Amino acid sequence: GAVVSQHPSRVICKSGTSVKIECRSLDFQATTMFWYRQFPKQSLMLMATSNEGSKATYEQGVEKDKFLINHASLTLSTLTVTSAHPEDSSFYICSADTGTGAYEQYFGPGTRLTVT
Amino acid sequence: GEDVEQSLFLSVREGDSSVINCTYTDSSSTYLYWYKQEPGAGLQLLTYIFSNMDMKQDQRLTVLLNKKDKHLSLRIADTQTGDSAIYFCAESLSEYGNKLVFGAGTILRVKS
Repeated sequence: GAVVSQHPSRVICKSGTSVKIECRSLDFQATTMFWYRQFPKQSLMLMATSNEGSKATYEQGVEKDKFLINHASLTLSTLTVTSAHPEDSSFYICSADTGTGAYEQYFGPGTRLTVT
Repeated sequence: GEDVEQSLFLSVREGDSSVINCTYTDSSSTYLYWYKQEPGAGLQLLTYIFSNMDMKQDQRLTVLLNKKDKHLSLRIADTQTGDSAIYFCAESLSEYGNKLVFGAGTILRVKS
């Protein structure tokens, strides 16, 4: 149980275009999902916390107009990188909270975004 | 502010025990976690411990928590080549609900 999927696993896009990444909880309902960014050989940086049916909460320094997050259902959250630039190239990982008292977060496999 | 620190690299021989250490600064942590990340993949939750516990054992994994020193360790018994990965320590802060703060990760290399 507690499986989280992401789609696509890899995407290459041209500078100036927008890219949407999907995060799904496959076998549980997730009231809260999280989006992280990971640079090579570095830790995960939390970008935003996404609650179903409400606006996402962004971490300091993360542009909410550039990284659009939608959490329309209890099993799906999307991250759209708008007007992508090469510096947006990174590994994007989502996680979903099972809602139990232990705050267990289960992570998706990640999406490698390359902006050319 | 919150800060989680880990040593960057650990190399062990197959069959030996591995001990990965982590220190954290925020005493309000409610849960502490260990995650494993293999190359190009997401994070796999290995185990977690509640802040009022000293130890938790789960098969080959033993987590020790010294709350006074804010020190957390993960011991892997009989380390196998498949255990080679990056291990992240993380804490959840009660005041932020379920927000996790991660350490930089420890690269574990297992030599056969």
